[in-house]
Amino acid sequence: GAVVSQHPSRVICKSGTSVKIECRSLDFQATTMFWYRQFPKQSLMLMATSNEGSKATYEQGVEKDKFLINHASLTLSTLTVTSAHPEDSSFYICSLVTGGREETQYFGPGTRLLVL
Amino acid sequence: QKEVEQDPGPLSVPEGAIVSLNCTYSNSAFQYFMWYRQYSRKGPELLMYTYSSGNKEDGRFTAQVDKSSKYISLFIRDSQPSDSATYLCAMNKAAGNKLTFGGGTRVLVKP
Repeated sequence: GAVVSQHPSRVICKSGTSVKIECRSLDFQATTMFWYRQFPKQSLMLMATSNEGSKATYEQGVEKDKFLINHASLTLSTLTVTSAHPEDSSFYICSLVTGGREETQYFGPGTRLLVL
Repeated sequence: QKEVEQDPGPLSVPEGAIVSLNCTYSNSAFQYFMWYRQYSRKGPELLMYTYSSGNKEDGRFTAQVDKSSKYISLFIRDSQPSDSATYLCAMNKAAGNKLTFGGGTRVLVKP
């Protein structure tokens, strides 16, 4: 399977600041990456689909101006949480789609965001 | 009603027992089915990927898909304490498309 990294693994910030989370594909060129959010004891909720070289597609109810996504290359997508507030505290996970016959998703290790 | 239903558990079994997990779904457009394992505060890890009805086996894991009943299962043989985790079913309508997840089942394998 594909190897996906995320940085940072954990971040604590003050309310009102912006936080950037990086998602890197270490061994595969991914034209599509996904960003998910997961609250404690809940399942993953898709936030947006990130396509290399084009604008991200956001799920209903996700503010695109608050969660900025940039898929600048085939190996890097970034999620920026702008003007973070305590309710944005969550576990953010990215995934990428591999190609080939069994085209499925591999996930990064996640980034835990705590907004004070 | 959620598109994908999964019993949240917890499911507690003794070491060595068979773990049986399942999901039901309502949308017949789902064609590709996956099972992920997620340890606490970690990203999901892909266990099984299937796209046709029937069984698929990989080591201690067996995935079953019954499209006519809209029902998928995952069996874990000879369960180990290290199998204690949350298991998520996921599915999509086309390969590479966004996934729809079940809520996850928490499994506890007791030594």
